[in-house]
Amino acid sequence: ELKVEQNPLFLSMQEGKNYTIYCNYSTTSDRLYWYRQDPGKSLESLFVLLSNGAVKQEGRLMASLDTKARLSTLHITAAVHDLSATYFCAVDMWDNYGQNFVFGPGTRLSVLP
Amino acid sequence: GAGVSQSPSNKVTEKGKDVELRCDPISGHTALYWYRQSLGQGLEFLIYFQGNSAPDKSGLPSDRFSAERTGGSVSTLTIQRTQQEDSAVYLCASSAYRGKYYEQYFGPGTRLTVT
Repeated sequence: ELKVEQNPLFLSMQEGKNYTIYCNYSTTSDRLYWYRQDPGKSLESLFVLLSNGAVKQEGRLMASLDTKARLSTLHITAAVHDLSATYFCAVDMWDNYGQNFVFGPGTRLSVLP
Repeated sequence: GAGVSQSPSNKVTEKGKDVELRCDPISGHTALYWYRQSLGQGLEFLIYFQGNSAPDKSGLPSDRFSAERTGGSVSTLTIQRTQQEDSAVYLCASSAYRGKYYEQYFGPGTRLTVT
């Protein structure tokens, strides 16, 4: 059974600081997704990482993937309040029944002024 | 263009009643997914459709839950004899194949409250 873990689950940080969110998954996969969810809103796709060593960057967020370690990181540089949200990583898998996305529990980020 | 839409946006129902939740995917998306998100929790995968077919229904929480999709488009998730533990936000997503991966687009969700 595919399991996806994230840590930390809650993160409170000051504006201007850097931090990293970690996503571990239990079975081999070379597709890793990051999503953002604002309170009361739906999920928005941030990054799709497709191979070992893949790195994607958008603004103050940078995501990377190490498929051998089954680890993805989401690095936040010089955080600003607008980044406050919950961040989910997800892995998709295919079996005889089709496709299944498994999400991590989410990391609730709060950036304080 | 139009995104994934869901209706109703909010539903309050009494315990024991049946509810139907609707999802309109993005036109042309063949894959459709239903998820459940309980308050402050992650996403629980419920069911996946490819076209009108859902090969695996084992993700549905109980036999009170059923889902169908018609015409390769609209999908409905039906919960019979609702219970308080069914209270959650139900999210629908459809996806487009991008060559190496499926990019999911999520709807705004239906917030279900069972009293």
